[in-house]
Amino acid sequence: GAVVSQHPSWVICKSGTSVKIECRSLDFQATTMFWYRQFPKQSLMLMATSNEGSKATYEQGVEKDKFLINHASLTLSTLTVTSAHPEDSSFYICSARSGTSGRGEQFFGPGTRLTVL
Amino acid sequence: GDSVTQMEGPVTLSEEAFLTINCTYTATGYPSLFWYVQYPGEGLQLLLKATKADDKGSNKGFEATYRKETTSFHLEKGSVQVSDSAVYFCALSDLGSGNTPLVFGKGTRLSVIA
Repeated sequence: GAVVSQHPSWVICKSGTSVKIECRSLDFQATTMFWYRQFPKQSLMLMATSNEGSKATYEQGVEKDKFLINHASLTLSTLTVTSAHPEDSSFYICSARSGTSGRGEQFFGPGTRLTVL
Repeated sequence: GDSVTQMEGPVTLSEEAFLTINCTYTATGYPSLFWYVQYPGEGLQLLLKATKADDKGSNKGFEATYRKETTSFHLEKGSVQVSDSAVYFCALSDLGSGNTPLVFGKGTRLSVIA
């Protein structure tokens, strides 16, 4: 089946530093990738949608200069949290869809837990 | 716009009890419907799906039937286990809206006690 990996699975950083999270589709080409944020005991909040080779489309209220998304290839997308602060601490999940995904199915990564001290 | 409404949790059941998690939707096109499960500390896994009216998706003892007349996709399992404790998300994909992301319900937390 389609597998999506994320790295790192968890990260702790100091306030003011930048953190990069990688999302890879291991056995398929991801024409579209999605980045979500999830707070404890809450649903997923869509942050942005990215198509390979083009700029990401951010949801309302998500700062594009704060959360930099790059989708440089059909198997890799990265999310960089710039100048992280404690309020950025969260669980970040990526998801991918291929051009042949059955009727819109999305495949999810295992998530990255970010803690900003 | 499209939306998914699922029953509020948390739901607490004893092992071997019958489970129903209600899910209804609104969509402008002809959506595909999904149930995803999230175990503690993990990402989402596809549990089952249905792509057209009257289809029944099933997996691991769970099943859900796409009911167009009631715009519903309720999740059921005849006998839950402790290992089924997780958060369950109902979702739809309306391909008539282009390459848009899944629309999720808010999730229902299930706790199964021995």
